[in-house]
Amino acid sequence: GNSVTQMEGPVTLSEEAFLTINCTYTATGYPSLFWYVQYPGEGLQLLLKATKADDKGSNKGFEATYRKETTSFHLEKGSVQVSDSAVYFCALSDHSGAGSYQLTFGKGTKLSVIP
Amino acid sequence: DAGVTQSPTHLIKTRGQQVTLRCSPKSGHDTVSWYQQALGQGPQFIFQYYEEEERQRGNFPDRFSGHQFPNYSSELNVNALLLGDSALYLCASSNDRDGYTFGSGTRLTVV
Repeated sequence: GNSVTQMEGPVTLSEEAFLTINCTYTATGYPSLFWYVQYPGEGLQLLLKATKADDKGSNKGFEATYRKETTSFHLEKGSVQVSDSAVYFCALSDHSGAGSYQLTFGKGTKLSVIP
Repeated sequence: DAGVTQSPTHLIKTRGQQVTLRCSPKSGHDTVSWYQQALGQGPQFIFQYYEEEERQRGNFPDRFSGHQFPNYSSELNVNALLLGDSALYLCASSNDRDGYTFGSGTRLTVV
């Protein structure tokens, strides 16, 4: 079955530091890949996505590239801010279309950014 | 434009009781999915409703059931509550064009 493995946290960084959160996956076929962010007391927000190999998703300074050869989708940001403190989830779906797919999530990585 | 609305936000139930959680989808969305997020874990797919029928189901026991109404809103019912059912329950709505929009969740505590 499908599975997602992401680096365990918590991760603590100083403001303006470089961020990498590793994510690897196991799936049949050609999944779509996602990064979601969860702020305290809130639901999940889509941060970025990629639907095919070599696609790069980007949003708010975050980037991730769909690497089929290494089955990875690592999240990066060049300069983190205190406001980036949250829990980050890597996820995949086995359906590239909207609406009818189900998501398989990793366990999440808690990021704390200190001033 | 209202997003996904879930109620209640918090709930405390006793082991063995039954609970109903509610979800109103984002305007224009016709599909509702439910996820269970245990503390410190990623969300796990429970089931998805479309056209008032269960379209997909994850690996959850029959104690978990749902319903979708003609206005696309949905309920999640859990019978014979166990301590292990304590979690954040997330509802997400979608349609054929959009990806998921998640609600803020219902925090269920079973004591």
